[in-house]
Amino acid sequence: DGGITQSPKYLFRKEGQNVTLSCEQNLNHDAMYWYRQDPGQGLRLIYYSQIVNDFQKGDIAEGYSVSREKKESFPLTVTSAQKNPTAFYLCASSMEGGRGYTFGSGTRLTVV
Amino acid sequence: KNQVEQSPQSLIILEGKNCTLQCNYTVSPFSNLRWYKQDTGRGPVSLTIMTFSENTKSNGRYTATLDADTKQSSLHITASQLSDSASYICVVRGFSGGYNKLIFGAGTRLAVHP
Repeated sequence: DGGITQSPKYLFRKEGQNVTLSCEQNLNHDAMYWYRQDPGQGLRLIYYSQIVNDFQKGDIAEGYSVSREKKESFPLTVTSAQKNPTAFYLCASSMEGGRGYTFGSGTRLTVV
Repeated sequence: KNQVEQSPQSLIILEGKNCTLQCNYTVSPFSNLRWYKQDTGRGPVSLTIMTFSENTKSNGRYTATLDADTKQSSLHITASQLSDSASYICVVRGFSGGYNKLIFGAGTRLAVHP
């Protein structure tokens, strides 16, 4: 079955540490996205990539970094520069023009 | 400013009852409007996608309406079930900040009680 997989489901980070969230898709989608979800707010776009080896900042990119070395993979690194990283992170992918938009099951990141 | 506002913020209904969730948007230009269901701790799952020319679209017990003139949409749930308990998110695709993007509402949290 085709789908989009995020791992881990839960992640704990100490102050000052970088952590990387994994996102893999086998839908043959060109575009991939990372969102952050906080209680009482709509999803906010962190980064997106429309093609391999290219990515663009979204609305809240500060303190985050990404790479897109393979079509199937779009990992997100939450750096120590992100001052309030505790949130639910969602990865998504789509075909050209936003068709077939599919979300992963999310990673909950908590700073301890 | 491109925005999507949903109401109510939360809703409690009894099993078997109907309910309607509202979505107002100011996104322009408009491409399409989507309704998603998100179970707690899970990713959103698409219920319907409506373009400018579509007024109504159904998916089982879920019926979405769109009035592009007033920029309003609603999601009607018929004969609710306990499994309908979730957040329902209205999403509008439009052009903002220099690129096509999805603009998300904060969601309506629905609880269906027996």
